[in-house]
Amino acid sequence: EPEVTQTPSHQVTQMGQEVILRCVPISNHLYFYWYRQILGQKVEFLVSFYNNEISEKSEIFDDQFSVERPDGSNFTLKIRSTKLEDSAMYFCAIFKGLINTGELFFGEGSRLTVL
Amino acid sequence: SQQGEEDPQALSIQEGENATMNCSYKTSINNLQWYRQNSGRGLVHLILIRSNEREKHSGRLRVTLDTSKKSSSLLITASRAADTASYFCATDWSGANNLFFGTGTRLTVIP
Repeated sequence: EPEVTQTPSHQVTQMGQEVILRCVPISNHLYFYWYRQILGQKVEFLVSFYNNEISEKSEIFDDQFSVERPDGSNFTLKIRSTKLEDSAMYFCAIFKGLINTGELFFGEGSRLTVL
Repeated sequence: SQQGEEDPQALSIQEGENATMNCSYKTSINNLQWYRQNSGRGLVHLILIRSNEREKHSGRLRVTLDTSKKSSSLLITASRAADTASYFCATDWSGANNLFFGTGTRLTVIP
């Protein structure tokens, strides 16, 4: 069973629409991460979330993006008004292990296509 | 940028041969990790090497780290067709587990 389940697996949306991507870990975790990967390109860090607060965010994570843990379990990434360049795979990850020696467990990703 | 750069970008070898991928990075790190990604799938953690370690083994994987040169290598011995995937190095420079990934090496193992 995967550590992290992401939904939807694929979403197609019109430019300017809001999108919510969801991440469900199989057990309680404190550390969550969102990464994105534009097709064929590198995996880019978006944001880390610790104990219900944003811990760190990249330049990509601008005001159009937000993260929440609405019910204490699911972890969501919201893109308020999608742009064509938001088309990418979005990966959620959780951290397991000791600080500085642990690893990230990634979900299978949500593919977002913005038309 | 803390992000690493892998080389080669693509590598094609025959089954049974060894595959070596290299990664260079720019800043001091706490640890460096290697991940594997099958096409269109999520990333899978392979191995972690801490900044005070020089070499680490895990099964057919061997990772080296040279902090003076800010570089790492991943060696896959006796490659198999199932090893075909993209391999990424990722650096944790802050100790907060915010990983920065390199550009990846696409490995093709020909049966």
